[in-house]
Amino acid sequence: DAGVIQSPRHEVTEMGQEVTLRCKPISGHDYLFWYRQTMMRGLELLIYFNNNVPIDDSGMPEDRFSAKMPNASFSTLKIQPSEPRDSAVYFCASSRGGRNQPQHFGDGTRLSIL
Amino acid sequence: QKEVEQNSGPLSVPEGAIASLNCTYSDRVSQSFFWYRQYSGKSPELIMSIYSNGDKEDGRFTAQLNKASQYVSLLIRDSQPSDSATYLCAVRGLTGGGNKLTFGTGTQLKVEL
Repeated sequence: DAGVIQSPRHEVTEMGQEVTLRCKPISGHDYLFWYRQTMMRGLELLIYFNNNVPIDDSGMPEDRFSAKMPNASFSTLKIQPSEPRDSAVYFCASSRGGRNQPQHFGDGTRLSIL
Repeated sequence: QKEVEQNSGPLSVPEGAIASLNCTYSDRVSQSFFWYRQYSGKSPELIMSIYSNGDKEDGRFTAQLNKASQYVSLLIRDSQPSDSATYLCAVRGLTGGGNKLTFGTGTQLKVEL
């Protein structure tokens, strides 16, 4: 079975540009999570969806960040305008419902804002 | 107090030894616990999950849970150089509908030849 698929794997762009990260969850998983990982702060949950509906976006750092899930097989995380401090690895993860269900991670997008 | 605490390490053990990784959590009503392994430059990979007090074994890995002490650990027997990675402890509580995982900052393990 295919795992969580993220694109692009690497993104380098200049400050002020719009950045869009993409994620395809594992088929049949009804939860989708977006994380950001940095050396300083570790792995932080930004937002998660259940059945395509955003449930908790309390981790989204500011209004420059937005996330959508138009259907069960696709989600985007957008940063506009981007800033150097947004440089990090962004992971998407998905899971089935249920308290004992683990989350499965994609390979991540390494984002560098110059 | 952090919600999930791990010693950042590095924890160095010789090849063939037992590596012991520890994690404490603050939310007493936490429900389930996961250990992820993350190689440098890679994504977290699930290696163990545990939900009940006691031990759970899977190959060379044993997870131990003590809910009264709010403590979960991971033992790796016969450590190999390929076990060198960062190990993340993740805890699922009841906040956010019980679907969120809170991660520790990870313990870096180095297995030396």
